[in-house]
Amino acid sequence: NAGVTQTPKFQVLKTGQSMTLQCAQDMNHEYMSWYRQDPGMGLRLIHYSVGAGITDQGEVPNGYNVSRSTTEDFPLRLLSAAPSQTSVYFCASSYFMGGTPETQYFGPGTRLLVL
Amino acid sequence: AQSVTQLGSHVSVSEGALVLLRCNYSSSVPPYLFWYVQYPNQGLQLLLKYTSAATLVKGINGFEAEFKKSETSFHLTKPSAHMSDAAEYFCAVSGSEYLSSSNTGKLIFGQGTTLQVKP
Repeated sequence: NAGVTQTPKFQVLKTGQSMTLQCAQDMNHEYMSWYRQDPGMGLRLIHYSVGAGITDQGEVPNGYNVSRSTTEDFPLRLLSAAPSQTSVYFCASSYFMGGTPETQYFGPGTRLLVL
Repeated sequence: AQSVTQLGSHVSVSEGALVLLRCNYSSSVPPYLFWYVQYPNQGLQLLLKYTSAATLVKGINGFEAEFKKSETSFHLTKPSAHMSDAAEYFCAVSGSEYLSSSNTGKLIFGQGTTLQVKP
């Protein structure tokens, strides 16, 4: 089991560019989510999905798009990068139990710098 | 709305000393509470979780936390710090108000506490 994998590990973008952060898991987890981590602010939820074809917004969704066409993959798209999106991005996945939140497994993160 | 407050962004202890990292939560419904650890340049790893069973929860690496409803707290402790415990620690809450068929598992994180262990 590779667990949760994220690519790339590091990316530099110019303002206005677009890109996709990749996330994949091989644990057959229904629930997947994207967080951003900023100093002194902990992790904040961007978008999440409870299964293929189902996504919803989290706490800070503006400027990001997601889709979930398969159980394994949950890419995060930056439509037009802004310096405020400079952050470390984490993808996470877990089982969906419908009553009790299960442990979320995190990927190693993608460091994004927007100039 | 639910929230989590971690008291102290930096905590420094000597090797062998007690580790105490503080977490207070705000929730109008019975919460589920988690502690995660993040080592440098890595993702987050679950230390322990409280899901309304025993109020004293034991986790990995000798850590434990006690859920105190009257104090709305879920402090993390370890009797004797090791150098390898140096990391950033996050408290998180996931309450039943989030648990529906469409949004289960949403976590609200605290700001994080960096633990420094001095030799």
